[in-house]
Amino acid sequence: EAQVTQNPRYLITVTGKKLTVTCSQNMNHEYMSWYRQDPGLGLRQIYYSMNVEVTDKGDVPEGYKVSRKEKRNFPLILESPSPNQTSLYFCASSSLAGGKNIQYFGAGTRLSVL
Amino acid sequence: AQKITQTQPGMFVQEKEAVTLDCTYDTSDPSYGLFWYKQPSSGEMIFLIYQGSYDQQNATEGRYSLNFQKARKSANLVISASQLGDSAMYFCAMRVLPGNQFYFGTGTSLTVIP
Repeated sequence: EAQVTQNPRYLITVTGKKLTVTCSQNMNHEYMSWYRQDPGLGLRQIYYSMNVEVTDKGDVPEGYKVSRKEKRNFPLILESPSPNQTSLYFCASSSLAGGKNIQYFGAGTRLSVL
Repeated sequence: AQKITQTQPGMFVQEKEAVTLDCTYDTSDPSYGLFWYKQPSSGEMIFLIYQGSYDQQNATEGRYSLNFQKARKSANLVISASQLGDSAMYFCAMRVLPGNQFYFGTGTSLTVIP
């Protein structure tokens, strides 16, 4: 089954404790992306990647890191989480073939930083 | 600056009626794509419909159609024959080239009344 898998689905942590949210896709997609969703703000793109070893900042990259060492994986790293990073996070992937870039989303990770 | 605007925070529609969800966008890039996603209360993001900036005809996918008015920079979603299962949050999004960065609106919450 074609899917984007995020782990964990729920995470409660404390300020300053490094964490990683994993994202994996099995569709051989070139494009992967991370978003955060906050009430009243919609989804905002954090980072995206067009292919292995190619990453770019989205609208809200501060406080986050990413890496794309393999095509299927795109982890999101919070080196020193702060309460303002409490949010719902989505990973998405898409094929760049054909030009549409229709993204398919993971189930989301709800993060609370205390 | 790239921007997506959804001005209707909440909408109500009677079952079996048609409803239009508004979306306006702002970009100076000539090549872009427009998307609509549905987010039910369960939280997943579901792709509904895509329109490319060079597409001559309005996109349709089953009960969904996209009313694309390029000169007005609008990309409204029309849902025909509303069903109870259409109750959800709906997001309009734009992808601009060449960077493939995505921008989402703040969403419209649609409630279908029996």
